Amino acid sequence: GDSVTQMEGPVTLSEEAFLTINCTYTATGYPSLFWYVQYPGEGLQLLLKATKADDKGSNKGFEATYRKETTSFHLEKGSVQVSDSAVYFCALSDLGNQFYFGTGTSLTVIP
Amino acid sequence: EAQVTQNPRYLITVTGKKLTVTCSQNMNHEYMSWYRQDPGLGLRQIYYSMNVEVTDKGDVPEGYKVSRKEKRNFPLILESPSPNQTSLYFCASSLHATSYEQYFGPGTRLTVT
Repeated sequence: GDSVTQMEGPVTLSEEAFLTINCTYTATGYPSLFWYVQYPGEGLQLLLKATKADDKGSNKGFEATYRKETTSFHLEKGSVQVSDSAVYFCALSDLGNQFYFGTGTSLTVIP
Repeated sequence: EAQVTQNPRYLITVTGKKLTVTCSQNMNHEYMSWYRQDPGLGLRQIYYSMNVEVTDKGDVPEGYKVSRKEKRNFPLILESPSPNQTSLYFCASSLHATSYEQYFGPGTRLTVT
């Protein structure tokens, strides 16, 4: 079945460091790919998405490119801030209208 | 304000006592879904609904029921809760399925003793 494998955490970075959170997927067909962010005590919010191969999603300085050849959708940000501290989830939606989430990666940014 | 609401936010109950967690959205979304979030497992989809009167099982439907009699509401029913259903539950909605952004509710923390 479909699945998402996400980089284990937690990740701790200093402010202004470069961030990469790896995400790979297994799916039949051509899924849509998402990154969601969860701040403490809140529900998930969409960070960015890509719906076809080679699409790049971007938002708030975060980027991810849909790589069909490597079945990956890695999240990157050039310079993290303390306010980026949260849990990040990679997800896919398949043609069967189901969603699959990764296990989440906790990010802490220290000043 | 566009939102997904869930009630209750916190619930402690005993094994076998039927309960319902309500979910409502005010965005006229067709697609609604329930997830549970557990440490080390991420979010797992329980049930989803493409539209009124259309529901389907997700990855972990055992022990849960849902109904979609109105477009805005999608209650989650635990007929006979067990301790392994202790979890954080999220309801979500989107305009349509698959490639559309999901809007999540604030979550319901359920403890079954």
